[in-house]
Amino acid sequence: QVQLVQSGAEVKKPGSSVKVSCKASVDTFSRYSFSWVRQAPGQGLEWMGRIISSLGRADVGQKFQGRVSITADESTSTTYMELSSLRSDDTAVYYCARGGGASHFDLWGQGTLVTVSS
Amino acid sequence: QSVLTQPPSVSGAPGQRATISCTGSSSNIGAGYDVHWYQHLPGTVPKLLIYGTTHRPSGVPDRFSGSKSATSASLAVTGLQAEDEADYYCHSYDDSLSAVVFGGGTKLTVL
Repeated sequence: QVQLVQSGAEVKKPGSSVKVSCKASVDTFSRYSFSWVRQAPGQGLEWMGRIISSLGRADVGQKFQGRVSITADESTSTTYMELSSLRSDDTAVYYCARGGGASHFDLWGQGTLVTVSS
Repeated sequence: QSVLTQPPSVSGAPGQRATISCTGSSSNIGAGYDVHWYQHLPGTVPKLLIYGTTHRPSGVPDRFSGSKSATSASLAVTGLQAEDEADYYCHSYDDSLSAVVFGGGTKLTVL
């Protein structure tokens, strides 16, 4: 079954970092780009960035540049999103999704709740 | 402030038609990039509703349709049903930002 399975919920202190994983059960992982999208409480969807593993390239949205690192491990078909210097307004559900650039997101992970609290 | 502008809320009676607009600019929708739409219910994963501006994935009822004109796109829902109550988001690509952009979301209420 084609699916994206994310790591579990996290509670972090302000100023720390969090790393969320997303394992893909898809054929030819490297053919696709995988994006990270978040939704803060009461807010809309916000694209953070994407990884194109076949090109070894990650694109990060301007708002997150310098704080977000997106990587991929083709051997395990897993993509990772690490967010540093966490603030309370980073509290959100983080989704991985297949797609990015001009293409649609046709497959979503189940979401990972990251809570930033002192 | 979202790059793509959607009305915060739209409503309609059961059986009626509702339309959700998504207004962009010459660097995204107006540049020819496709628009995609998602339905999002609280506590669930966003569901792809329309891709490539007008195409429905398998399993999406034909009550849902998408269109585009100049720098705007629209999602139409005909024959409104209670189960259509959800948040709807448009999505495109912006070449001046080199980024995926979403609308702010529209809450559809079936009266």
